[in-house]
Amino acid sequence: GAGVSQTPSNKVTEKGKYVELRCDPISGHTALYWYRQSLGQGPEFLIYFQGTGAADDSGLPNDRFFAVRPEGSVSTLKIQRTERGDSAVYLCASSPFAPNEQFFGPGTRLTVL
Amino acid sequence: AQKITQTQPGMFVQEKEAVTLDCTYDTSDQSYGLFWYKQPSSGEMIFLIYQGSYDEQNATEGRYSLNFQKARKSANLVISASQLGDSAMYFCAMREGTAGDKVIFGPGTSLSVIP
Repeated sequence: GAGVSQTPSNKVTEKGKYVELRCDPISGHTALYWYRQSLGQGPEFLIYFQGTGAADDSGLPNDRFFAVRPEGSVSTLKIQRTERGDSAVYLCASSPFAPNEQFFGPGTRLTVL
Repeated sequence: AQKITQTQPGMFVQEKEAVTLDCTYDTSDQSYGLFWYKQPSSGEMIFLIYQGSYDEQNATEGRYSLNFQKARKSANLVISASQLGDSAMYFCAMREGTAGDKVIFGPGTSLSVIP
């Protein structure tokens, strides 16, 4: 497909479990962003990749959150020891190197019971 | 400190009328970019318009225009001839520094278009 894809679309897990959320950006886009959006709020920045490296991870809330992009395309957001407060929609976006626009994926809705 | 402020949590507009959604921002950078996104109830984030800090002209995209007042650090979105399909959440966002830096979103404004 031509757009950003995210899998799974929904993830329900139990408190304390480990989850992985995947993002497939638009082909050729070097920048990739992860956001977290809680109900009724704006997207909250988590981490930004330029190529394979994390250019800015200042938004990751704590060391339970980690993200990788080993080959500069697909990215995985990893959350260890999930907590109920991690429940949110996790959005991924990609953009060309000099972006005036971010292209968002449909999001993964994470529910921690 | 709040980087992006959207003071209108909810707005109503009559169909076919124009509406202005407010956004103020805070940055010490000289180079930055400002965005507006629309998020309907389906949840997708839709890019509407972009304004660079060095752009002298206000950005326009169809029925959307951005009223950029740099000295006031204001980047209001104007939607002309509102349509029922414009009902959605609207987010103002800012990219600080050089292209590719992180983008910070405001809390959003919920717009309802009344027939």
